[in-house]
Amino acid sequence: AQSVTQLGSHVSVSEGALVLLRCNYSSSVPPYLFWYVQYPNQGLQLLLKYTSAATLVKGINGFEAEFKKSETSFHLTKPSAHMSDAAEYFCAVSEAGADGLTFGKGTHLIIQP
Amino acid sequence: DSGVTQTPKHLITATGQRVTLRCSPRSGDLSVYWYQQSLDQGLQFLIQYYNGEERAKGNILERFSAQQFPDLHSELNLSSLELGDSALYFCASSPIPGQASGANVLTFGAGSRLTVL
Repeated sequence: AQSVTQLGSHVSVSEGALVLLRCNYSSSVPPYLFWYVQYPNQGLQLLLKYTSAATLVKGINGFEAEFKKSETSFHLTKPSAHMSDAAEYFCAVSEAGADGLTFGKGTHLIIQP
Repeated sequence: DSGVTQTPKHLITATGQRVTLRCSPRSGDLSVYWYQQSLDQGLQFLIQYYNGEERAKGNILERFSAQQFPDLHSELNLSSLELGDSALYFCASSPIPGQASGANVLTFGAGSRLTVL
């Protein structure tokens, strides 16, 4: 069975600082990996996805994530945090041939002015 | 606007009652998924429909049921409501299921917030 672990339910960074949100996955077959963002009172929005092409994936709003098979990780980064990045971030996994996503518990990103 | 429409946005009801949540998928999407989001459980997959048929079942309680209609909209029925059913219920849609050649991207609606008093 596939699963996702997000380290840190809350992460706080200063505006302009590096954002690093951690995600580790467990999957019996090569996975597809996703990061979704949820702004307050809104639904989930796709940030980026890994589908076995390039291991470094670029997404919207300056975010990117790197797939590291040896570490079973898919951490999300952004070089310089902006106040508008404050939101809940979810890592998710699916497998080839499967339809749905298994989500991590989410990381609440707080941006300090 | 993601293209996935959920109604109602907010719903307050009492224990023991029954409610229906509605979802219209994005145009062209055949598959609908229901998720429950609560503070303690996070995002839990409930059930999936594809072109009117149930395709996958997750942690859905027996008190809950769903269906997908010929026009592809879906309804989630929650009955004998308990305080613990208070949560945000999301609907998501995707084009076709089980794409072996690529990742199945889900598009989410804004959610229906259910409060059970």
